[in-house]
Amino acid sequence: GNSVTQMEGPVTLSEEAFLTINCTYTATGYPSLFWYVQYPGEGLQLLLKATKADDKGSNKGFEATYRKETTSFHLEKGSVQVSDSAVYFCALSDRWDFGNEKLTFGTGTRLTIIP
Amino acid sequence: DVKVTQSSRYLVKRTGEKVFLECVQDMDHENMFWYRQDPGLGLRLIYFSYDVKMKEKGDIPEGYSVSREKKERFSLILESASTNQTSMYLCASSFQGSRGHLNTEAFFGQGTRLTVV
Repeated sequence: GNSVTQMEGPVTLSEEAFLTINCTYTATGYPSLFWYVQYPGEGLQLLLKATKADDKGSNKGFEATYRKETTSFHLEKGSVQVSDSAVYFCALSDRWDFGNEKLTFGTGTRLTIIP
Repeated sequence: DVKVTQSSRYLVKRTGEKVFLECVQDMDHENMFWYRQDPGLGLRLIYFSYDVKMKEKGDIPEGYSVSREKKERFSLILESASTNQTSMYLCASSFQGSRGHLNTEAFFGQGTRLTVV
């Protein structure tokens, strides 16, 4: 079946450091890929997405590129802020029926940014 | 804005109780989902529904059931709560995609932290 593997946390960085959170996937067909973020005490919200190979998703300074050849969708940000402290989930969409999809999530990576 | 509302933020229940977790969305989404979130395990899909009165088992349906009598409401039921069902429960909803459109964005509620004692 489909699966998502993302790097183990927790990750602790200093403010303004460069961030990479690795994500690789296993899927049949051509899934869409997502990064969701969960801030403390809240539900998940979509951070960015990419729907086909070589697409780059971006939002709030975060970027991720859909690499079909390496089945990866690594999350990057050039200069992190304390407000980026959260749990980040990589996910892929998985068609289960005509026109319908469901999401498969990775285990999440907790990111803490220290001033 | 899309809003997914879960009826409780925190619940404490006793072992053996029947527990109802309610979720309502206001964007006319066809798809609705229940996940549980546990440290080190991420989000695991319990059940999902793509239409009223329709339900499909996810990855970990044992010990749970669901009900979708109206499009906007999706209920998760713990028939007889057990301590291993202590967890954070997240409801989500999304539009139904069209053919070839694998682009679903799911919208999540804030979660219900359930403790079974």
